[in-house]
Amino acid sequence: EVQLLESGGNLVQPGGSLRLSCAASGFTFSSYAMSWVRQAPGKGLEWVTAISGSGDNTYYADSVKGRFTISRDSSKNTLYLQMNSLRAEDTAVYYCARDQGATVTQLLDNWGQGTLVTVSS
Amino acid sequence: QSVLTQPPSASGTPGQRVTISCSGSSSNIGSNTVTWYQQLPGTAPKLLIYSNNQRPSGVPDRFSGSKSGASASLAISGLQSEAEADYYCAAWDDSLNGVVFGGGTKLTVL
Repeated sequence: EVQLLESGGNLVQPGGSLRLSCAASGFTFSSYAMSWVRQAPGKGLEWVTAISGSGDNTYYADSVKGRFTISRDSSKNTLYLQMNSLRAEDTAVYYCARDQGATVTQLLDNWGQGTLVTVSS
Repeated sequence: QSVLTQPPSASGTPGQRVTISCSGSSSNIGSNTVTWYQQLPGTAPKLLIYSNNQRPSGVPDRFSGSKSGASASLAISGLQSEAEADYYCAAWDDSLNGVVFGGGTKLTVL
């Protein structure tokens, strides 16, 4: 059974940093691209970033480019999201999601339960 | 403002058929496949429809998708109360080089 477990969400001050983790199990981690998708309170889904199965290709939404970095460690079956220069508008539940294959697409077939990031002073 | 445009709400009575539209452009829906997600209250999104009209195993055939040009639609027939949820369309955008979502449609079963 595919399982994705996010962690690392917390309250952080504007301008601060946070690293989210997503522990994956139940599948061959390196064979699948992975994405982070966020949802602000009471709002819709927003794709944030994605990484290919090999880790060679990364993609970012304009809203986080230059501030967020996605990475993966296949030895630990873990996906990461390093978030720097955080803003109030980054407040959201962050979901980790598995792509349907090794290349990045919008077809996310398994999702974690999410971790809440709150940016506030 | 989302790149893909969906109506914010839709409603129907039990047994009815409802459709939810998703409008995009030549750089996303017009040149790539559409995916639909269902998000039940308080839960994570779930894959509902992929490749415009394909259902993952376990998704009832009451749910169907279609695409024409730069627009797509999700249809739900034989509406049941369990279908009350938020629905999102998504596609790859060649210009943005990333995934774009619709703003979501909240479906209410009256």
